[in-house]
Amino acid sequence: KAGVTQTPRYLIKTRGQQVTLSCSPISGHRSVSWYQQTPGQGLQFLFEYFSETQRNKGNFPGRFSGRQFSNSRSEMNVSTLELGDSALYLCASSLHRDRGRDTQYFGPGTRLTVL
Amino acid sequence: TQLLEQSPQFLSIQEGENLTVYCNSSSVFSSLQWYRQEPGEGPVLLVTVVTGGEVKKLKRLTFQFGDARKDSSLHITAAQTGDTGLYLCVPQGPGTYKYIFGTGTRLKVLA
Repeated sequence: KAGVTQTPRYLIKTRGQQVTLSCSPISGHRSVSWYQQTPGQGLQFLFEYFSETQRNKGNFPGRFSGRQFSNSRSEMNVSTLELGDSALYLCASSLHRDRGRDTQYFGPGTRLTVL
Repeated sequence: TQLLEQSPQFLSIQEGENLTVYCNSSSVFSSLQWYRQEPGEGPVLLVTVVTGGEVKKLKRLTFQFGDARKDSSLHITAAQTGDTGLYLCVPQGPGTYKYIFGTGTRLKVLA
């Protein structure tokens, strides 16, 4: 079974631009979560989608948004990029919305650099 | 205040040495997961500990869940360079615990 794929793997943008990142979950997984990882803050939760609906949201400004399609693929968008948005963006998929002991399977991430 | 504190933050050791890293909280969790993230990759699940006092072994890695289910430890015996990576703990339970990863321990094993 193919793992979680994220595209692109690397991205360089300038301040003020916007960016869209894509995530394809493992086949059959309906829950997709997005995280931002930086050296200073570690892994921080952005949002989770299940069956095309945003179920939970982390503490990030409205410039960060996402969506999920009927095939469970997800995209996240960051508008008006700031230098501080430079980070590794990780996508994780899992089987169930109410995970409990569910396992998150992570993609390799998209490394975003904002100049 | 972090929900989960991991210690140490950084650890650099020689191949063959033993080490223990810790994941501590003041909250009680139904279970706890450990992930390892290698450079350039996403985190990969190593183990889930469920019962207070539970010990699980994965080859040279030994995971223990505290009796009160508030803390956990990971012990590596005879570390190898392939153990290099960022070790993260994440709680499981109701609510938003599942989104909160620990601060992480970055381990470097030198040949």
